[in-house]
Amino acid sequence: EPEVTQTPSHQVTQMGQEVILRCVPISNHLYFYWYRQILGQKVEFLVSFYNNEISEKSEIFDDQFSVERPDGSNFTLKIRSTKLEDSAMYFCATKDREGYGYTFGSGTRLTVV
Amino acid sequence: RKEVEQDPGPFNVPEGATVAFNCTYSNSASQSFFWYRQDCRKEPKLLMSVYSSGNEDGRFTAQLNRASQYISLLIRDSKLSDSATYLCVVIYTGGFKTIFGAGTRLFVKA
Repeated sequence: EPEVTQTPSHQVTQMGQEVILRCVPISNHLYFYWYRQILGQKVEFLVSFYNNEISEKSEIFDDQFSVERPDGSNFTLKIRSTKLEDSAMYFCATKDREGYGYTFGSGTRLTVV
Repeated sequence: RKEVEQDPGPFNVPEGATVAFNCTYSNSASQSFFWYRQDCRKEPKLLMSVYSSGNEDGRFTAQLNRASQYISLLIRDSKLSDSATYLCVVIYTGGFKTIFGAGTRLFVKA
């Protein structure tokens, strides 16, 4: 079964540092998403990306965050100047067409200390 | 009012029981609906899509009521392996913004 691959699985970073979370989508998928889940809380939508641009973003996705697809395969989430409250599990999800459900990667656990 | 609301549970049921979860959504522009399952500290996994006509996948039945803005999930003949958190997911028209419910926890006991 095709998988969405995320790296690293766990990242520890110091407050104020920049982190880049990476995702390799399923090869024929066209829609890409980032979600986060703070421990014990619900999954929250961050951003969607389609046709090489952001299609929708939530209130959480402020100037601290950015996404790109630098080489046509990887899909990255950059968090600048991390804060303690950015500690969460970050999930990448992809799908191949509208109206269908997403396939999630196994997530990156980000810990900001 | 929350955009997507679920009873957090937990639901504690014996093996073989039938259990039903409901989820309500507030935005009538919502377009697509899904149930996901999430095991502890794992990623959500798609369980099934939800259609107005209702759909069934083995022991699982999902139903959408657009007029009342709720979706439901019925699990028959519960197995120990059904123990998980069940997430209601709503996608807005346009297909991009997605709202997850906070999830309903299910424990199936032997």
